[in-house]
Amino acid sequence: KQEVTQIPAALSVPEGENLVLNCSFTDSAIYNLQWFRQDPGKGLTSLLLIQSSQREQTSGRLNASLDKSSGRSTLYIAASQPGDSATYLCAPAGQPGGGADGLTFGKGTHLIIQP
Amino acid sequence: GAVVSQHPSWVICKSGTSVKIECRSLDFQATTMFWYRQFPKQSLMLMATSNEGSKATYEQGVEKDKFLINHASLTLSTLTVTSAHPEDSSFYICSASKREYVQYEQYFGPGTRLTVT
Repeated sequence: KQEVTQIPAALSVPEGENLVLNCSFTDSAIYNLQWFRQDPGKGLTSLLLIQSSQREQTSGRLNASLDKSSGRSTLYIAASQPGDSATYLCAPAGQPGGGADGLTFGKGTHLIIQP
Repeated sequence: GAVVSQHPSWVICKSGTSVKIECRSLDFQATTMFWYRQFPKQSLMLMATSNEGSKATYEQGVEKDKFLINHASLTLSTLTVTSAHPEDSSFYICSASKREYVQYEQYFGPGTRLTVT
């Protein structure tokens, strides 16, 4: 059974800093990994999806890397802004049986960017 | 785009009653939808996988007779919490799977806050 760990559990930094959020997973047989953000009391917003054959994916100030063999992914946030404050979740997706698969989530990193 | 809606966004019900939550993919067809539950300060836990036109697949520990799932069309899945109890109070989130070339990406609804009194 897939287990996902995210470090740190919480992070509070002044705006402008570059940040690193870590995700590790126990079963490396994945076909992609998604990073999401969740605002308090809200659903999830997909940030990045990295396919298992890729090593990284970029979207604006966000960059996610994937080391499938070691079961690790990292989300880099450049020049952080107060609007980045949220909980960040990673979710590796297991091998599909010809279709989509449910996701296993970590507990997330609760990020606060101080103005 | 890929937008998923949920209705209602929040609901309060009395213990013993049933509550239905709808999940819709607004601009794409989803053969597979998923239901998750999230307790305060906990992560999302997959409850069940809903496939259009077939029975849902439930995760271990989730009572299928209590959480009824219907996926009657490619854009709508419903979750009915039957005989709700206070311990069923939680945040329920659905997602719909969209195929992007050879990959599947999940898009999540905004969630439904259920409070059972």
